[in-house]
Amino acid sequence: IQMTQSPSSLSASVGDRVTISCRASQSINNYLNWYQHKPGKAPNLLIYGASALESGVPSGFSGSGFGTNFTLTISSLQPDDFATYYCQQSYSTPFAFGQGTRLEIK
Amino acid sequence: EVRLLESGGGLVQPGGSLRLSCAASGFTFSNYAMTWVRQAPGKGLEWVSSVDGGSGGTIYYADSVKGRFTITRDNSKNTLWLQMNSLRAEDTAIYYCAKLKQWLVTPGTYGMDVWGQGTTVTVSS
Repeated sequence: IQMTQSPSSLSASVGDRVTISCRASQSINNYLNWYQHKPGKAPNLLIYGASALESGVPSGFSGSGFGTNFTLTISSLQPDDFATYYCQQSYSTPFAFGQGTRLEIK
Repeated sequence: EVRLLESGGGLVQPGGSLRLSCAASGFTFSNYAMTWVRQAPGKGLEWVSSVDGGSGGTIYYADSVKGRFTITRDNSKNTLWLQMNSLRAEDTAIYYCAKLKQWLVTPGTYGMDVWGQGTTVTVSS
């Protein structure tokens, strides 16, 4: 199963609403997870099961989708949100990640 | 506090071996499947290997490491290992261990909710 994210990079301002897309090459039901990764730090699970918010993650993050098309939305960008975001399918091994979306400050 | 701590990385020549360790604390290690994920310099995240919880009944590998890497776990020591043999330059990466949210790797899982800080492996002559 191949995972394709778009865009690969994105410039936005604090307070903006941002959407990142992820497409699977075949249906993965809702076995889609989103991670935030900052340089030198461990990746952080944001969303699992396509739309469930991981404990401790701010409510400004949300996920949607089923089957092959998924979306991560950040409702109002905060300074701490500038990072790289990855989708990952956990329907079957190999557990492919998307290529990442680098979110930069405009 | 739930924590994973990797160790064992370093510089190794092509064809050499390394054994990475991941020490778990703050949760019942045996109850969860575990995974290794890596990130090569300038690249994205790549899934490497996963093992079921319990006695580690089923093991899974990426094609890129199959036959060269071996994942094992010792629940009495709360430790996960990755034995890496026949290392290649393309294995150079930061290696992270991560806990899955459930016992079994398949069918279907709901993400990796605890990650270590990573250990760096460099394969170079």
